[in-house]
Amino acid sequence: KNEVEQSPQNLTAQEGEFITINCSYSVGISALHWLQQHPGGGIVSLFMLSSGKKKHGRLIATINIQEKHSSLHITASHPRDSAVYICAVGGGADGLTFGKGTHLIIQP
Amino acid sequence: SAVISQKPSRDICQRGTSLTIQCQVDSQVTMMFWYRQQPGQSLTLIATANQGSEATYESGFVIDKFPISRPNLTFSTLTVSNMSPEDSSIYLCSVAANRVNEQFFGPGTRLTVL
Repeated sequence: KNEVEQSPQNLTAQEGEFITINCSYSVGISALHWLQQHPGGGIVSLFMLSSGKKKHGRLIATINIQEKHSSLHITASHPRDSAVYICAVGGGADGLTFGKGTHLIIQP
Repeated sequence: SAVISQKPSRDICQRGTSLTIQCQVDSQVTMMFWYRQQPGQSLTLIATANQGSEATYESGFVIDKFPISRPNLTFSTLTVSNMSPEDSSIYLCSVAANRVNEQFFGPGTRLTVL
């Protein structure tokens, strides 16, 4: 079973700061997902990665398959980015294995 | 993409009762998943529900406690039976799109058991 570790668990930053959230996993995977969970509980899929790097707006996700590591970056952070960010691996018929999430607070 | 709705969005229930959560998808999908997120914990897969077959449950979850129906390719239900306060969680429905590994999530059902 894959073990997914995220760091940091909690992060408070000032508006405009560059944010990095890290994820490592123990077993080789076909895909890694970055998800955003809002206080109400709903989850939005931000990225699905199998290699390299993806960018969407101010969000950038990278993955290093050899090192079993991924990072999520937020540039020019804003209070509306405050949420829980979750790394998950797997997918397809086996469902996903999730990290515990990073609680991000961006203060104005 | 797939748009998923869940009902109810939240509920407060009494110990010993049962609650059925509905998951509706706007397109036909083969695989649907039910996850649980207990307070302060990561999401955990309860079971995989494929149309036309019995649901496959993960270790620690049993059909008597979490019966699942999957009558067609756009709908599924999860029942939380004989509830106790430990069942207070967010329950999420997820689907795997026809593209391998792409997954979409419902908005979740926040359950509180008193």
